[in-house]
Amino acid sequence: DVKVTQSSRYLVKRTGEKVFLECVQDMDHENMFWYRQDPGLGLRLIYFSYDVKMKEKGDIPEGYSVSREKKERFSLILESASTNQTSMYLCASSTGTSGSSSYNEQFFGPGTRLTVL
Amino acid sequence: LAKTTQPISMDSYEGQEVNITCSHNNIATNDYITWYQQFPSQGPRFIIQGYKTKVTNEVASLFIPADRKSSTLSLPRVSLSDTAVYYCLVGPGFQKLVFGTGTRLLVSP
Repeated sequence: DVKVTQSSRYLVKRTGEKVFLECVQDMDHENMFWYRQDPGLGLRLIYFSYDVKMKEKGDIPEGYSVSREKKERFSLILESASTNQTSMYLCASSTGTSGSSSYNEQFFGPGTRLTVL
Repeated sequence: LAKTTQPISMDSYEGQEVNITCSHNNIATNDYITWYQQFPSQGPRFIIQGYKTKVTNEVASLFIPADRKSSTLSLPRVSLSDTAVYYCLVGPGFQKLVFGTGTRLLVSP
């Protein structure tokens, strides 16, 4: 079974802090994704990566950056956390390239609920 | 990117068949139709995917008409544990999937 793990289930940070959210997958997937989920807004894509050191902006990249130094690990960074970044953060991975059916089968981690005070 | 429209919520009772229809009028030729399920406080889970006609697995069936402008997820004989949010997605015409707000299914005893 594919396993996607996230470093924390719950995290509380203060405004202005630098926050690192870590995601690790164990199935050698090429593609990794970071989403945030807010009530009434569904899941929104922040960033994704289709290879080591590659990254692409999603729909809401402002205030975030990412790092993918190793294939299995994809980190989301909040350079200076703000209260409007309080949310559930979900990491996912998939194999295949855009245009292949397997690309759409994303495996999600359990999520990190981040609260910024 | 193909936009999808699905009901905000549905109610059902245990043992009934549930059909959730999703509209995707501007689906592209190379787009697949994918459904996910999400329980509270968990990440979404892939259920089923199809391109045309019918696909069935151990969890659900997916019906896609010839024009592919809609699709129907069918859950046979639902139980309380099927209470969840169900997302219909269309892609990959591009390199990202778009999750909408989904359909909240409530199964009652």
